[in-house]
Amino acid sequence: GQNIDQPTEMTATEGAIVQINCTYQTSGFNGLFWYQQHAGEAPTFLSYNVLDGLEEKGRFSSFLSRSKGYSYLLLKELQMKDSASYLCAVRGSSGGYQKVTFGTGTKLQVIP
Amino acid sequence: NAGVMQNPRHLVRRRGQEARLRCSPMKGHSHVYWYRQLPEEGLKFMVYLQKENIIDESGMPKERFSAEFPKEGPSILRIQQVVRGDSAAYFCASSPRQGPTDTQYFGPGTRLTVL
Repeated sequence: GQNIDQPTEMTATEGAIVQINCTYQTSGFNGLFWYQQHAGEAPTFLSYNVLDGLEEKGRFSSFLSRSKGYSYLLLKELQMKDSASYLCAVRGSSGGYQKVTFGTGTKLQVIP
Repeated sequence: NAGVMQNPRHLVRRRGQEARLRCSPMKGHSHVYWYRQLPEEGLKFMVYLQKENIIDESGMPKERFSAEFPKEGPSILRIQQVVRGDSAAYFCASSPRQGPTDTQYFGPGTRLTVL
């Protein structure tokens, strides 16, 4: 099976940097996704990592270490609108196909 | 290119009634996934379908719940004899394939309220 662990809640200050960690256990790892979900809305895709290293996309970056089963999402120059839940999702072998499993999400609150 | 469409956006049912939730995937996408989300909780996988086939229904309750994705038309998640515990947001996602780089894109969700 697949197991994903991420903090439940985090608080950070507007303009600062925040790092949201995700650890996972899975067989047949084949990629890790980060999604953003504002309250009452659908998850929206942020990033995808399959190789070790850092992927940068504007204010958001995502890092992956496959040997450690570890990823983080880095948000720079935080804005109030970044207050949302951030979902880590892992693709791995399950049930005979490459299944994507979502973590429970990290609720980020950005304060002035 | 229209995104994933879901309707209705809000659905109110009384206990014992049936709920039908519809999902039209993005154009060119033939893989559909249904998730359930309770308030303040994570996404729970329910079922994965390709056109006319159920690939994985391991997350779907055996009783009262069913899903289909016909050759023509949207995917349907059907909940019979709804109970208060079925109240949740139901999200549909679609992807073009099941390949290593294929991303799931989500619809806006259907919020089901059971009175």
